[in-house]
Amino acid sequence: GAVVSQHPSRVICKSGTSVKIECRSLDFQATTMFWYRQFPKQSLMLMATSNEGSKATYEQGVEKDKFLINHASLTLSTLTVTSAHPEDSSFYICSANPTLSGGGGGYTFGSGTRLTVV
Amino acid sequence: GNSVTQMEGPVTLSEEAFLTINCTYTATGYPSLFWYVQYPGEGLQLLLKATKADDKGSNKGFEATYRKETTSFHLEKGSVQVSDSAVYFCALSRNSGNTPLVFGKGTRLSVIA
Repeated sequence: GAVVSQHPSRVICKSGTSVKIECRSLDFQATTMFWYRQFPKQSLMLMATSNEGSKATYEQGVEKDKFLINHASLTLSTLTVTSAHPEDSSFYICSANPTLSGGGGGYTFGSGTRLTVV
Repeated sequence: GNSVTQMEGPVTLSEEAFLTINCTYTATGYPSLFWYVQYPGEGLQLLLKATKADDKGSNKGFEATYRKETTSFHLEKGSVQVSDSAVYFCALSRNSGNTPLVFGKGTRLSVIA
């Protein structure tokens, strides 16, 4: 089945530094990638939608200058948390829909990245 | 707009008990409906789905039927196991291809031996 590989799975960083999270579609072309954030014991909140070759669409309340999204190729989308602060600590998950490129099975998710800012 | 409402947990059951997690939705048109499961510390895994009214999705003993008349997609399992302990998310998609899933808040299930 279609797989989205997300790295790193866990990262601890100091306040003020930046962290890059990568999501790769391994066996299909992901023209669109969705980025979610999940707080402890809560649901997934859509942060933004990235589209290959164009600017990402951010949800209301999400700071585009803080959460930089790049979707430079059909198999790679990255989320960079810039100048991270403790309140950015969360679980970040990416998702893509292989059916957009002819695949099946519906939406597939990365395994998530646990970010802890100290 | 589109939304999903699912029963709030946590739900605690004894092994072999019957499970129902309610899910209702609001959507324009005819969305596809999904149940995802998240085990501790992991990402989401698709459990089952249904793409049109009266469809029944099933997997690993779990079932859910797409009920258009009641706008529901309740998750059921006849006999739960300890290994079913996880968070379950109901979700819908608008079938327009490049739109994200809309999730319910999730229901935490704990099964005790």
